[in-house]
Amino acid sequence: ETAVFQTPNYHVTQVGNEVSFNCKQTLGHDTMYWYKQDSKKLLKIMFSYNNKQLIVNETVPRRFSPQSSDKAHLNLRIKSVEPEDSAVYLCASSLGQNTEVFFGKGTRLTVV
Amino acid sequence: QQKVQQSPESLIVPEGGMASLNCTSSDRNVDYFWWYRQHSGKSPKMLMSIFSNGEKEEGRFTVHLNKASLHTSLHIRDSQPSDSALYLCAASSYGGSGNKLIFGTGTLLSVKP
Repeated sequence: ETAVFQTPNYHVTQVGNEVSFNCKQTLGHDTMYWYKQDSKKLLKIMFSYNNKQLIVNETVPRRFSPQSSDKAHLNLRIKSVEPEDSAVYLCASSLGQNTEVFFGKGTRLTVV
Repeated sequence: QQKVQQSPESLIVPEGGMASLNCTSSDRNVDYFWWYRQHSGKSPKMLMSIFSNGEKEEGRFTVHLNKASLHTSLHIRDSQPSDSALYLCAASSYGGSGNKLIFGTGTLLSVKP
């Protein structure tokens, strides 16, 4: 059963456009994440939020910006997308330190 | 350089056989290791985690950890076609908030009937 919900499932857009992805978790977790999974299936953390506060911000281009309205929601905005942004973006959540991370089904972004 | 290395990249085992997957971290700060399984087109789901030296068994799955060498292995006995998936190893370290997982590149397991 899914408890981390992402929308949209797929998105195709042109280079230079802005896109936004939404994520909501119903597990009552304190921490949420955005991961990027590339075409080789490598999964890399991009951002981590704990109770609406940014705690991890990996080296990602400045065109990526996370947005959190409360601890159950974490959105991702990409300004001016580029071809290398094509990937699956996975939202996730966890209860706290060294606890299981639960992933959503992902949003597949294709930049043409 | 990838901090979590997995081997082999891909593995084919016959149904009923044993699959053995390996994972090593080059970061001495890690405390926990996680094994996730990702079926094609699906999201990763945690299989097992381990943080103490030794072995942990859950059904057909056994995980080993050697903290001195930061090496963990996952063994699947009596492999089934439904076990065919991408197996991702991840490492994390204690401290701070949340659980920042550093993933390896995965082992693609194919179980042939």
